[in-house]
Amino acid sequence: NAGVTQTPKFQVLKTGQSMTLQCAQDMNHNSMYWYRQDPGMGLRLIYYSASEGTTDKGEVPNGYNVSRLNKREFSLRLESAAPSQTSVYFCASSGGRRNNEKLFFGSGTQLSVL
Amino acid sequence: AQTVTQSQPEMSVQEAETVTLSCTYDTSESDYYLFWYKQPPSRQMILVIRQEAYKQQNATENRFSVNFQKAAKSFSLKISDSQLGDAAMYFCAYRTSFNFGNEKLTFGTGTRLTIIP
Repeated sequence: NAGVTQTPKFQVLKTGQSMTLQCAQDMNHNSMYWYRQDPGMGLRLIYYSASEGTTDKGEVPNGYNVSRLNKREFSLRLESAAPSQTSVYFCASSGGRRNNEKLFFGSGTQLSVL
Repeated sequence: AQTVTQSQPEMSVQEAETVTLSCTYDTSESDYYLFWYKQPPSRQMILVIRQEAYKQQNATENRFSVNFQKAAKSFSLKISDSQLGDAAMYFCAYRTSFNFGNEKLTFGTGTRLTIIP
């Protein structure tokens, strides 16, 4: 019952450093998502992948890139981290109607950019 | 674009009492889904309840129920017999029904619920 697994859980970066957040799901879901959560702003969609081989921008894509490596894995990359990217990042996946349209979330990554 | 508004940043309720969290949304679509998610201090996102717009009957899940007013574009969450474990951030979310295979959600800004013992 692993569900959606995100790594790392915590990360501190210096401005200008790069890093990749990893996400994997074991539920054979087609769709995967990356959200960021900031105080007072709820969760905002960064990028999503409706199926293996496709990715699309969400509401706040600037400063990020993604890769849908295969059906299981969807990574988020920060090429040159900025303090404005300090946030909690959530990966999610969904199986559509067979899961009642529910999103399954990972446990989040707390990222601080100094 | 759809928007979701939660106008109550914080709410509190006495244990065992009932509390209602408000949510309004804006859309031009006629068919969609609405959700309430709970986020406790553990940060985990937990689905509380979902409503399909074409269903007139309000969804219920044990102590949780919704008041779905489609014409008013309102989707409030009622928690009955509040328990200490209900303390969390609650997010209202919207999803179009027309993007098959793409279930991205638009979230509100959240309401922090405190339970007073």
